[in-house]
Amino acid sequence: KNEVEQSPQNLTAQEGEFITINCSYSVGISALHWLQQHPGGGIVSLFMLSSGKKKHGRLIATINIQEKHSSLHITASHPRDSAVYICAVFSDKLIFGTGTRLQVFP
Amino acid sequence: DSGVTQTPKHLITATGQRVTLRCSPRSGDLSVYWYQQSLDQGLQFLIQYYNGEERAKGNILERFSAQQFPDLHSELNLSSLELGDSALYFCASSVFFADTQYFGPGTRLTVL
Repeated sequence: KNEVEQSPQNLTAQEGEFITINCSYSVGISALHWLQQHPGGGIVSLFMLSSGKKKHGRLIATINIQEKHSSLHITASHPRDSAVYICAVFSDKLIFGTGTRLQVFP
Repeated sequence: DSGVTQTPKHLITATGQRVTLRCSPRSGDLSVYWYQQSLDQGLQFLIQYYNGEERAKGNILERFSAQQFPDLHSELNLSSLELGDSALYFCASSVFFADTQYFGPGTRLTVL
């Protein structure tokens, strides 16, 4: 079993839909990172969380340390949100989830 | 633009060869991380340096080594290359450990 599990693996949505991507982990962590990888390969850091909730534009990330779970929400999704979203946890090293591939259609 | 630079962008070489990948972190960032992304493995953490010292080690093979220089740039050396080493190699930097990381554009290594 992977130490970091993401769901779903693949997600398709219509423009404007509300999107949720989940991340569960089984190790003790100091922080959790949400990353976005564009089709061209570039990686962008979206959020780093150690507790609570963060918001940036249409993106919201939450973490529940007791339940070892984090969610990434995208409100009013847009085709430009199409990318792979990766959860990574800071344990004694950085451990990555396998990613969620999101496609948003107009 | 994250402020992290990596050279070269692409590298094509043969099995058994040795290559060096270079990373310059964002100005002011003391931590440098190296990651490998292959098609079948996803992103894997290789190694982290903080202010010139090795800070954490991940799934780095013995054939691979890295270092961070006094000017904080870092190099990842890959030797005795195998076909399976073909991958995207990313460098990232942050101010401290467990801090927001900024990723470079990656070096695509192809081993023929």
